Amino acid sequence: KAGVTQTPRYLIKTRGQQVTLSCSPISGHRSVSWYQQTPGQGLQFLFEYFSETQRNKGNFPGRFSGRQFSNSRSEMNVSTLELGDSALYLCASSLEPGFDQPQHFGDGTRLSIL
Amino acid sequence: KNEVEQSPQNLTAQEGEFITINCSYSVGISALHWLQQHPGGGIVSLFMLSSGKKKHGRLIATINIQEKHSSLHITASHPRDSAVYICAAVTGTASKLTFGTGTRLQVTL
Repeated sequence: KAGVTQTPRYLIKTRGQQVTLSCSPISGHRSVSWYQQTPGQGLQFLFEYFSETQRNKGNFPGRFSGRQFSNSRSEMNVSTLELGDSALYLCASSLEPGFDQPQHFGDGTRLSIL
Repeated sequence: KNEVEQSPQNLTAQEGEFITINCSYSVGISALHWLQQHPGGGIVSLFMLSSGKKKHGRLIATINIQEKHSSLHITASHPRDSAVYICAAVTGTASKLTFGTGTRLQVTL
């Protein structure tokens, strides 16, 4: 069974641009969550999607958005990129929504902003 | 003060040593995850527990809900155990995941 797949693995952008990251969950998993990891703030929750609906959102500005498709694949978008958005972006999938069940993480997308 | 605290931040051990990493939290939780992150970034879920103790190979995780404390133990440590270990507390109606700052473990020969 394939694991959680995130694309691309690495990305370099400049300030002001926008970026879209993709996450394909494990087959059969219907919930996808996104996280940002930086050296200063550690891991922080961005949002959770289930059945194409955002269930929860972390404390991030509106420049960060996401969506989930009918096949459970998810994308997150960051607009008007800032230097501080440089981070490792991770997604995780689970069978059902909520975090009181095992989470399966992808390898992440490393985003660098110049 | 962070809702989830881990100690120690850094840990160096020799191969074969018994290792303990601690996680304490200040809010009520419904479950706690232990995660392992190797250089390169990918995260592996080691345990999810809401009470008692779980064991998988050389890894043991325990939690005491009343004392708001969890520990991850590694027996007979090996260099391949070198990684960052992160605990994450499940709060709200399983709707929020709050991460500890991580413990960087290096096991040497």
